[in-house]
Amino acid sequence: EVQLVESGGGLVQPGGSLRLSCAASGFTVSNYDMHWVRQVAGKGVEWVSAIGTAFDTYYSDSVKGRFTMSRENAKKSVYLQMNNLRGEDTAVYFCARDRRVADGYNDFDYWGQGTLVTVSS
Amino acid sequence: IEMTQSPSSLSASVGDRVTITCRASQGISNYVNWYQQKPGEAPKLLIYAASSLHNGDPSRFSGSGIGTDFTLTISSLQPDDSATYYCQQSHIPPFIFGRGTKLEIK
Repeated sequence: EVQLVESGGGLVQPGGSLRLSCAASGFTVSNYDMHWVRQVAGKGVEWVSAIGTAFDTYYSDSVKGRFTMSRENAKKSVYLQMNNLRGEDTAVYFCARDRRVADGYNDFDYWGQGTLVTVSS
Repeated sequence: IEMTQSPSSLSASVGDRVTITCRASQGISNYVNWYQQKPGEAPKLLIYAASSLHNGDPSRFSGSGIGTDFTLTISSLQPDDSATYYCQQSHIPPFIFGRGTKLEIK
């Protein structure tokens, strides 16, 4: 059974840092692109970042330069290092698997349950 | 690429036919996904490549469109369909989501 389990969320002060982890099981993580998606309470979902199988990374403009996504295939995990955090980064962060059913077609077929990040003094 | 979704909310009765639309700011062929999200849960993939139904999803859900205009249709609304629905551009990053449509059952 495919599972994604996020961890590492919590309360952090503005300007602080946090590292989120996403532990994968039930599939070979090295074969898949992976994503982070976030959601502010009561609001819509926002794509945050992606990492490809070749370790190429992509970011939304709102986090570029502050967040870094990485992966450790041997540990079946992906990570999101978040630096210089702001109040507007407060959200539930979801990890998602990209099925890439065909070249150029990216869709997120499995999601974790999310981890809450709160940025507040 | 911006994804403009409408309406932002709607209320319909069991058995109704419901349509949600999504307009891309530029042509994106059929690179659109649709997701369903219920409160307290992660989004769930419904439709990929604009019109392909994800495995296990009920056949009352369908998607259509190409270029800039896309639709998600529920042919006969069921109580379990109460949720928020999101479209997503799926070709290249950033993989922008629409702002969502909250669907309530009357």
